[in-house]
This record gives sequence, C-alpha cells and structure tokens, in this order.
Amino acid sequence: AQSVTQLDSQVPVFEEAPVELRCNYSSSVSVYLFWYVQYPNQGLQLLLKYLSGSTLVKGINGFEAEFNKSQTSFHLRKPSVHISDTAEYFCAVSDQETSGSRLTFGEGTQLTVNP
Amino acid sequence: DAGITQSPRHKVTETGTPVTLRCHQTENHRYMYWYRQDPGHGLRLIHYSYGVKDTDKGEVSDGYSVSRSKTEDFLLTLESATSSQTSVYFCAISDSVRVAYGYTFGSGTRLTVV
Repeated sequence: AQSVTQLDSQVPVFEEAPVELRCNYSSSVSVYLFWYVQYPNQGLQLLLKYLSGSTLVKGINGFEAEFNKSQTSFHLRKPSVHISDTAEYFCAVSDQETSGSRLTFGEGTQLTVNP
Repeated sequence: DAGITQSPRHKVTETGTPVTLRCHQTENHRYMYWYRQDPGHGLRLIHYSYGVKDTDKGEVSDGYSVSRSKTEDFLLTLESATSSQTSVYFCAISDSVRVAYGYTFGSGTRLTVV
C-alpha cells in the first residue's frame, strides 16, 4: 500500500514570489505521481504527472515538479505566482505494479496568494 | 467538466434518512469512483466500479452502498445518513485500469446531515 504526506497544510505567499509545495510518498514499489488543483467550489483538475523518464515534469499554468526517488518526494514549484493560483493542491500516488491500482491522495495544501 | 455531472450539487438532509447521489457521464468510460473530501483528510475512496454491475469497496465504505446498472450512471446511497457523513462527495471517471491515464472529476456534491 502507498501513502502520501503533504508537509504544509497552508502556504501563504505574496504575488510574484516563488512557491514550493512539498509532497512525500511511501511505497514499496515503483509509483506514478500526480498533482491536482482544486479551485473554490470546483472539482479537481490535473496539473501534472510523473510516469517515467525525466524527473522534472512540467505542467499547466507554469507549474513544475521534480521526482526524487531517493528522497521519495515530488515537490511542486512555480517561480512566480499570481492571485489566480490561489487554490487547494493535492498530491496523489498510484503504484505501477498492481492491476487496477487507484489513486491515493494527500491531505491537501491551501495556497493563498496575497497582493 | 462537461463529460461528467453530479446531482444534486447541494443537499441538506436529516439524520437517519436515506440519500442517493448520482454521477452521470457521457464519455463511455469503464471506471467510475466515488470519493469524499474532508478537511485534513484529502480525498478518500468510498467505492468504485470497473463495469456495469461490477463494484468494489474503497477505504471508507462503511455506511455507503453503490449501484451501476448502466455504463453512464453510478449511484452512491447513504442508507441512513449520519452527521459524520457530512462532506463533499466527488465522482471521477477513467477509461483505463491504468490510473496513469488520469481521472476526470465532477464538480462535487456538498452534503449536510443535520
């Protein structure tokens, strides 16, 4: 079984500042990793995903994440945030080796971008 | 997302009453999922379906049942609602057992049990 820990429940930043949202995972097998974003009163949208290959993954809206196998981490970054990035962000994991494996989500990180 | 709709969007119900939430998809995807979202817990899987009449339990299935009589509809029933089931419920769909191909989420149903 796998698990996900998002290390910060709330991250306040000022507009145009860089941001990093931290995610660690635990699994005994190889994994797929995902970041989802949830804007207020909406469902979840996929930001980016790591399946294999390059450890630096680029997603929508200028976000990127780096897979670090030795640290079992998948931190999300953006060099300059906008007010519109205010949302809740979820890290999720699925193992590669179990047929029908499903997503396991972290607890979420609320990113608030202030003017 | 236009391919998946949840109804109702909001519901207030009394403790002990049965409640059914509906997820409807127009994508003809085989896999459907029900999650609940609670502060501090993220999303937790309640039940899922891998085809018509084929369903299985997730990690928080107690107090919930599901049915899928058609590809496009996946119903979640709370047999006797309790206050601990106050939550936001999300449906998701996928066209592959390989989760790497991604889920599409509905907009959610906010359920309040009083």
